[in-house]
Amino acid sequence: ELKVEQNPLFLSMQEGKNYTIYCNYSTTSDRLYWYRQDPGKSLESLFVLLSNGAVKQEGRLMASLDTKARLSTLHITAAVHDLSATYFCAVDRDSNYQLIWGAGTKLIIKP
Amino acid sequence: EAGVVQSPRYKIIEKKQPVAFWCNPISGHNTLYWYLQNLGQGPELLIRYENEEAVDDSQLPKDRFSAERLKGVDSTLKIQPAELGDSAVYLCASSYQQNTEAFFGQGTRLTVV
Repeated sequence: ELKVEQNPLFLSMQEGKNYTIYCNYSTTSDRLYWYRQDPGKSLESLFVLLSNGAVKQEGRLMASLDTKARLSTLHITAAVHDLSATYFCAVDRDSNYQLIWGAGTKLIIKP
Repeated sequence: EAGVVQSPRYKIIEKKQPVAFWCNPISGHNTLYWYLQNLGQGPELLIRYENEEAVDDSQLPKDRFSAERLKGVDSTLKIQPAELGDSAVYLCASSYQQNTEAFFGQGTRLTVV
C-alpha cells in the first residue's frame, strides 16, 4: 500500500526565514504533485515533478524530487506572510493521476 | 475561464437525512473526480468518471453513497442516509483526460448533526 508522509504537519515561522517541508512515500513512483490550500478555498496546483532529479521554482518556493530516496522537498526562501497556507504533496500511484495524498503541512508565517 | 463550480458551499443536515452535492466541471474536461477531505487530512478519492462512466469507485461506500454523471458533464454525489461521520468537505475536480493535472472546486462543507 502506498503511503505518503509529510513533515512537519505544522510549522510556524518568522518572515524572512528559510525552511523545508518534506514528503516521503513508500513505493516506487516518478510523478509527484505539490498543492496549496488556503482556508475555505480550492486546492491550487503549485508544481508537477515528473522525473528523478526534477527541480522546479516559482517565486520563493522550490520543489525537488528524488525518486531513489522516495523523497520530495518544498523549500521556502525568505518567507513572506502571503505564503501562509496548507501545503499538500500527492504521489501519482500509476502515472495516471491516481493520487495518494499526504496529510498536509499547515504553514503560518508571522510578520 | 470558469473553474470547477460546486454547490452548495455549506450544508448542515440532521443524521439520517439525505443530502446531495452538485459539481460543474471545467468545460471540455472529460475526467471528473469526487474527493472527501476530513479536517487536517489530505483528500481521499471517492469516485472517478471518464465521461459518463464511473471507472474507479472502489472507495465509494455504496451502501449509502451514490453518484451520477449524466451526459458526461455535471455530476451529483448523494448520501442517503447521512451519518455523523460523514461530516467533511466534499471536493470535486476535473481534468482534460485521466493522466493530466486536475483542477479543484472550492468544495462543499457538510456538517451532520
